[in-house]
Amino acid sequence: QSVLTQPPSVSAAPGQKVTISCSGGRSNIAKYYVSWFQQLPGAAPKLIIYENDKRPSDIPDRFSGSKSGTSATLGITGLQTGDEADYYCGTWDSTLNAGVFGTGTKVTVL
Amino acid sequence: QVQVQQWGAGLLKPSETLSLTCAVYGGSLSGYYWSLIRQPPGKGLEWIGEMNHSGTAKYTPSLKNRVIIAVDTAKNQFSLRLTSVTAADTAMYFCARSHPPDSGWAPDIWGQGTMVTVSS
Repeated sequence: QSVLTQPPSVSAAPGQKVTISCSGGRSNIAKYYVSWFQQLPGAAPKLIIYENDKRPSDIPDRFSGSKSGTSATLGITGLQTGDEADYYCGTWDSTLNAGVFGTGTKVTVL
Repeated sequence: QVQVQQWGAGLLKPSETLSLTCAVYGGSLSGYYWSLIRQPPGKGLEWIGEMNHSGTAKYTPSLKNRVIIAVDTAKNQFSLRLTSVTAADTAMYFCARSHPPDSGWAPDIWGQGTMVTVSS
């Protein structure tokens, strides 16, 4: 089982905002940068947030990230049908000496 | 633009060895970590391990005894070997470029994925 916990699903209407939490601990989120990944159906994951709150150049500013203590949050504003996907957080864990991913959250646009 | 392309056998029998090769195009292996990540059908992502160009490797504890990641700098490739596979190893396997943990970790370039099924 994963050391990072996410809600199984979140949903909202088009144009609205959703937030996804990622809960970890002192050996992972508290010590290292958090990344977020978007996985569209049938596709490889894509990095959308790195170093807690930075966006690759091709990711719109509707996506944002933050971190506080042992938790991180992904926000998506102006929700679009194309945002329907699974989202994963990820970071390094010093106890496991390994990369770790969150349990994943399915975003549904109502 | 850096790309990762991957290939390997898609169907294995229990106890066989999984082999996956990942080729890096448009960039060097130097300065990065090269990772293997898998995803069982309908489930989440699982980090398998990573290696940098100089041969420093790290593996997830649950697979440590069965996995080897190797780097071939001459071919600009890296590879995964997972021995003694069982049905529990059935998954989509991804190759990815990563960064050192103290530099953000973040797998940022991913291969297309290779589905590996273990069945007798």
